[in-house]
Amino acid sequence: AQSVTQLGSHVSVSEGALVLLRCNYSSSVPPYLFWYVQYPNQGLQLLLKYTTGATLVKGINGFEAEFKKSETSFHLTKPSAHMSDAAEYFCAVSTGNQFYFGTGTSLTVIP
Amino acid sequence: DTAVSQTPKYLVTQMGNDKSIKCEQNLGHDTMYWYKQDSKKFLKIMFSYNNKELIINETVPNRFSPKSPDKAHLNLHINSLELGDSAVYFCASSQIPGLAGGGAKNIQYFGAGTRLSVL
Repeated sequence: AQSVTQLGSHVSVSEGALVLLRCNYSSSVPPYLFWYVQYPNQGLQLLLKYTTGATLVKGINGFEAEFKKSETSFHLTKPSAHMSDAAEYFCAVSTGNQFYFGTGTSLTVIP
Repeated sequence: DTAVSQTPKYLVTQMGNDKSIKCEQNLGHDTMYWYKQDSKKFLKIMFSYNNKELIINETVPNRFSPKSPDKAHLNLHINSLELGDSAVYFCASSQIPGLAGGGAKNIQYFGAGTRLSVL
């Protein structure tokens, strides 16, 4: 069975501080991994994805994530948080015919 | 040009009513989805259609019935609305379902959501 776990439903960081949102997955086959962002009152927007190749993936708005097979993780990071990064972030895994989302992490950026 | 569009954006209705939400995508994708997002932001897949055929049908009440008249449209009809149906419903589409074909063809593109409030 496949699943996605996001540790921490709420994360608060100061403006300019490092953003780290955690995602672990379980999958019996090599997964495709995604991070989506949902700004208030909007739909989900793809931030970045890992399919094959380089394990460090760069996305939009300065975000990046690293696929670590040994740790079954795909944590999302950004070196310096901006107020506009405040949103809900969803990790997702795709295997076979299924697409699973994590429960989401709400990021608050403190001025 | 909105890639995945849902109508209406807001829907307020009384318990017991029947309502429909429409979804259209102009991306030429073969696969479409309906998700329900509850008040805690938990996103749950409800249905998925590939080439107008139902491929994912999660455990949802049979009051919910999806209909796909063609590849570009996936509508959601809800009968006898209940208070617990209040949520945001998202439509999404992808070129193909899952990993078939590889690459990034299974990236899902989302509509802006329909906020349903049942009173």
